[in-house]
Amino acid sequence: NAGVTQTPKFRVLKTGQSMTLLCAQDMNHEYMYWYRQDPGMGLRLIHYSVGEGTTAKGEVPDGYNVSRLKKQNFLLGLESAAPSQTSVYFCASISGGAGKDTQYFGPGTRLTVL
Amino acid sequence: GNSVTQMEGPVTLSEEAFLTINCTYTATGYPSLFWYVQYPGEGLQLLLKATKADDKGSNKGFEATYRKETTSFHLEKGSVQVSDSAVYFCALTSPGGSNYKLTFGKGTLLTVNP
Repeated sequence: NAGVTQTPKFRVLKTGQSMTLLCAQDMNHEYMYWYRQDPGMGLRLIHYSVGEGTTAKGEVPDGYNVSRLKKQNFLLGLESAAPSQTSVYFCASISGGAGKDTQYFGPGTRLTVL
Repeated sequence: GNSVTQMEGPVTLSEEAFLTINCTYTATGYPSLFWYVQYPGEGLQLLLKATKADDKGSNKGFEATYRKETTSFHLEKGSVQVSDSAVYFCALTSPGGSNYKLTFGKGTLLTVNP
């Protein structure tokens, strides 16, 4: 049981390049989330999904797209990276339901956009 | 909307000192309250939680009590260790239609010196 995994762990992009971050969970969780963490800002929600085939915008969705084609995977895409997207990205998942509201986090992806 | 305010750090303590990190919140209804901890270079992990007023969450010597009357969830530990050095996040999720989205405080960096 690996929990929540994220690929890659580190990435450096040039402005305008694109990339996809992969989040995978093996806990059969319904809900999945993408956050970004910036110094002094805490964690901010980018997009989330309440089940396979669904996605929704969070607090800071601009410049990002997501897809949830399989229940266990949640992809975060940057179509045209900008320096403002330099951040640490965390994925999380949750089962949902009574007493099942604890989010489980992946180890993070550190992205630098030059 | 929901919001979480926690004391800004950094907090520096000597080993065996008493720790308090203040957290207050604004939310509709009766949210669930959480403390997450992030050790250097890692993702967030749940430290403790409380789901209703007057509940006390506890784990690894840390405690926090859900105070509805003061909308607070302060984190305490009687005797900190060097291994407690980390960033601590207070967070909440609202019941009923929130899709378990977490609202985070900005985090408090704790450094414990031997």
